[in-house]
Amino acid sequence: AQSVTQLGSHVSVSEGALVLLRCNYSSSVPPYLFWYVQYPNQGLQLLLKYTSAATLVKGINGFEAEFKKSETSFHLTKPSAHMSDAAEYFCAVSEGGSSASKIIFGSGTRLSIRP
Amino acid sequence: GAVVSQHPSRVICKSGTSVKIECRSLDFQATTMFWYRQFPKQSLMLMATSNEGSKATYEQGVEKDKFLINHASLTLSTLTVTSAHPEDSSFYICSGSRGLNTEAFFGQGTRLTVV
Repeated sequence: AQSVTQLGSHVSVSEGALVLLRCNYSSSVPPYLFWYVQYPNQGLQLLLKYTSAATLVKGINGFEAEFKKSETSFHLTKPSAHMSDAAEYFCAVSEGGSSASKIIFGSGTRLSIRP
Repeated sequence: GAVVSQHPSRVICKSGTSVKIECRSLDFQATTMFWYRQFPKQSLMLMATSNEGSKATYEQGVEKDKFLINHASLTLSTLTVTSAHPEDSSFYICSGSRGLNTEAFFGQGTRLTVV
């Protein structure tokens, strides 16, 4: 069974500082990996996805994530945080192939930005 | 990307009544749709997978007679919460894909409050 673990339910950084949200996955097959953002009382927005192409994936809003098979990790980073980045972030995994659209979510990390 | 629309975005119903949530793919044919449930400050839990014209496949622990899913057309899936109770209050999100091996697109979610 696939799963993702997000380390830290809440991360707080200063505006302009580096953002690092951690995600580790477990999968018996090459996974598809995703990061989604959810603003309060809204749906999900796809930030970026890894589907077995380049290991460094660039997404929207200046975010990027690196797939590291040896570490089974897919951490999300942004060089300089902005106040508008405050939201809930979900790492997610799917098996890819015939199950690419069946997505399993991590527990989420709430990102707060300090002025 | 493709657009998935959910309706209503918010609904309040009385305990014991049923409520229907619609999920529509606006610019593509969603062969497969997924329904997720999100409790406050928690992650999204997959409830069921539905393929157009077939019965939905429910995840373990999800009552299929409680949460009725219909996927009668390639652009519409509905989730009916029957005999709703306050514990059914939650945020429900759907996603649709052109097939199991393709990207899923998420709706904006429906907040259900049962009073």
